[in-house]
Amino acid sequence: DVKVTQSSRYLVKRTGEKVFLECVQDMDHENMFWYRQDPGLGLRLIYFSYDVKMKEKGDIPEGYSVSREKKERFSLILESASTNQTSMYLCASRQGGYSDTIYFGEGSWLTVV
Amino acid sequence: AQSVTQLGSHVSVSEGALVLLRCNYSSSVPPYLFWYVQYPNQGLQLLLKYTSAATLVKGINGFEAEFKKSETSFHLTKPSAHMSDAAEYFCAVSEKDSSYKLIFGSGTRLLVRP
Repeated sequence: DVKVTQSSRYLVKRTGEKVFLECVQDMDHENMFWYRQDPGLGLRLIYFSYDVKMKEKGDIPEGYSVSREKKERFSLILESASTNQTSMYLCASRQGGYSDTIYFGEGSWLTVV
Repeated sequence: AQSVTQLGSHVSVSEGALVLLRCNYSSSVPPYLFWYVQYPNQGLQLLLKYTSAATLVKGINGFEAEFKKSETSFHLTKPSAHMSDAAEYFCAVSEKDSSYKLIFGSGTRLLVRP
């Protein structure tokens, strides 16, 4: 069965801390994504990666960076966490076609205090 | 750029009643469309998807959706709501560029009254 695993479900961090959110998929998918989910705004794309070491900005990349050193792993980095980054973060992966299903992880709830 | 509009941030139905969740898209080319469901404190899972094979698409848990090109709609329906259907539902369109990303609507929360 398909599996996207996010390492941390709930995190509380202080303003200014560097935060790492890790995501691993076991489906050998080419494409991986980080979305942010906020009430009333749906899911907004932060960054995506279409290959190892390749990345592109999504709709809201400011304040975030990503790393993809291995095909199965895609990390989201908050260089200096701020309170407006308190949110639910969802990692996803997809093989490569427009009709392919995107598979999501369980989500990581981040609170920045 | 493509976009998705979901009418109604909250929909409330009685158990056993028809469920209708609305989704309209904007696209200059035939799209690929998806409905996802999110239960509390979980990620999203696929309900169904339209990939141009048939306009009426059947998904899991008794849900189905009909692609209507003339109305640019892809509404989700279920004949009889169950308490377990209470969740948030997202419509999405597949962006037809090199990104392979999905563009999501803002979501509709379905409440089911006993």
